[in-house]
Amino acid sequence: TQLLEQSPQFLSIQEGENLTVYCNSSSVFSSLQWYRQEPGEGPVLLVTVVTGGEVKKLKRLTFQFGDARKDSSLHITAAQPGDTGLYLCAGAGIIGGTSYGKLTFGQGTILTVHP
Amino acid sequence: DTEVTQTPKHLVMGMTNKKSLKCEQHMGHRAMYWYKQKAKKPPELMFVYSYEKLSINESVPSRFSPECPNSSLLNLHLHALQPEDSALYLCASSRLAGFGSDEQFFGPGTRLTVL
Repeated sequence: TQLLEQSPQFLSIQEGENLTVYCNSSSVFSSLQWYRQEPGEGPVLLVTVVTGGEVKKLKRLTFQFGDARKDSSLHITAAQPGDTGLYLCAGAGIIGGTSYGKLTFGQGTILTVHP
Repeated sequence: DTEVTQTPKHLVMGMTNKKSLKCEQHMGHRAMYWYKQKAKKPPELMFVYSYEKLSINESVPSRFSPECPNSSLLNLHLHALQPEDSALYLCASSRLAGFGSDEQFFGPGTRLTVL
């Protein structure tokens, strides 16, 4: 059972376009982290959202945490080829669960931005 | 310093070899993790160490043997691996392995190929 549904799985766009990646769950998380990973490298932490309804901005990236802490989104404005990579959402601390010390990962979104 | 280092970067080994992967962090984190990642998929948790003690083993085959010599170091000993064990092996650390918003920081990974 996939506890964190991430969509879309693949995204191929032109430079300058906007995009949104979604992570949805029926579980409530204490926090949610977004990572970006390039081929052959480890995931790099972009942001952690903790509070329901929270919005965080990182240059052209905007992250939202749902009010109920069950879902999150990543919006990229004016995408650039350097944004290309695998984007992963990961939920920590499922409320009512036994996920002590574990992250629940989404399936990932492979983003390709063409010049 | 939010860096987790891993050595070697690449490793090729036969099915009868014994090798070790190494991971180091100097952030004062008390939780360290091993993950296995196949191409274009999210990382899969293998082991969690908390305060240098093994706290989670995700039913990993005994040909993988973790070791935490001290709070900064984590090893993964490999013996009699199978070709399907070829993958990117990631180490991560976090302040604690607790229930909450502790962020995990990943190393660059070791690309393992089993012949």
